[in-house]
Amino acid sequence: QVQLQESGPGLVKPLQTLSLTCTVSGGSISSGGYYWTWIRQHPVKGLEWIGCFAYSGSTYYNPSLESRVTISVDTSHNQFSLRLSSVTVADTAVYYCARDLRKGFDYWGQGNLVTVSS
Amino acid sequence: DIQLTQSPSSLSASVGDRITITCRASQSISSYLNWYQQKPGKAPKVLIYAASSLQSGVPSRFSGSGSGTDFTLTISSLQPEDFAVYYCQQSHSFPWTFGQGTKVEI
Repeated sequence: QVQLQESGPGLVKPLQTLSLTCTVSGGSISSGGYYWTWIRQHPVKGLEWIGCFAYSGSTYYNPSLESRVTISVDTSHNQFSLRLSSVTVADTAVYYCARDLRKGFDYWGQGNLVTVSS
Repeated sequence: DIQLTQSPSSLSASVGDRITITCRASQSISSYLNWYQQKPGKAPKVLIYAASSLQSGVPSRFSGSGSGTDFTLTISSLQPEDFAVYYCQQSHSFPWTFGQGTKVEI
C-alpha cells in the first residue's frame, strides 16, 4: 500500500522560505507515469494546485506561484520536496503531497498545517 | 487557466435522497475531470476519474458523467457518511485546477 507523509515546520516567519518534504513508502518514486504533486488548502477555503514533478523529469508550477516555488525529487530517499520563498500570511495553509496519474490524485499525505507568522 | 464552476455551493438533503452536483469548465477539457470527497480534517479522496470511471473501492451509488465543458456527480441514495464537501478537478491542462466545492449537509 502506497503511503505519503509530509514533514516540515509548522511555523514560518514572513519573508522566509517554507520547506516541506514528502516521503513515499510502499512504492518507488521512480516508477513511470506519475506526477508527484503539492497541493494546498487555505483555512476554510478550497484547494489550490501548487505544482508537480513529472515522471519525465519535468516540473510544472502554478503560474500564480511559479516565481517562488521549487519542487525537487530525491530518488535515493524516495522523497520529493517543496520550497516556497518569500512567504506571507497569505501562504498560511494546509499543505498536502499527493500522487497523480492524470486519473485523479489517488494517494495523499495527511496534510501539514503551515502558519506564516512573526 | 481553466476555471471550474460548481453548483450549487451547498445543498441540504436527507438520507436516501438522490443528489446531483454540476461542474462547468471554462473551456473544453474532454473527459479529464475528476471528483473528490473531503471530510473535516482529512485529505480529499478521489471518487470518480476521467469523468465517469469509479475509483476502486468507491461505492457504486456514486457516478459521474459528462464531457467537454459540463459534468455531473450523482449520488443515487445519500448515506450518512456521504455528508461532506465535494470538489471537481481538471487534469486537461496545466495548471490543474479545482472547483470551489459543494458542501452537502443534512
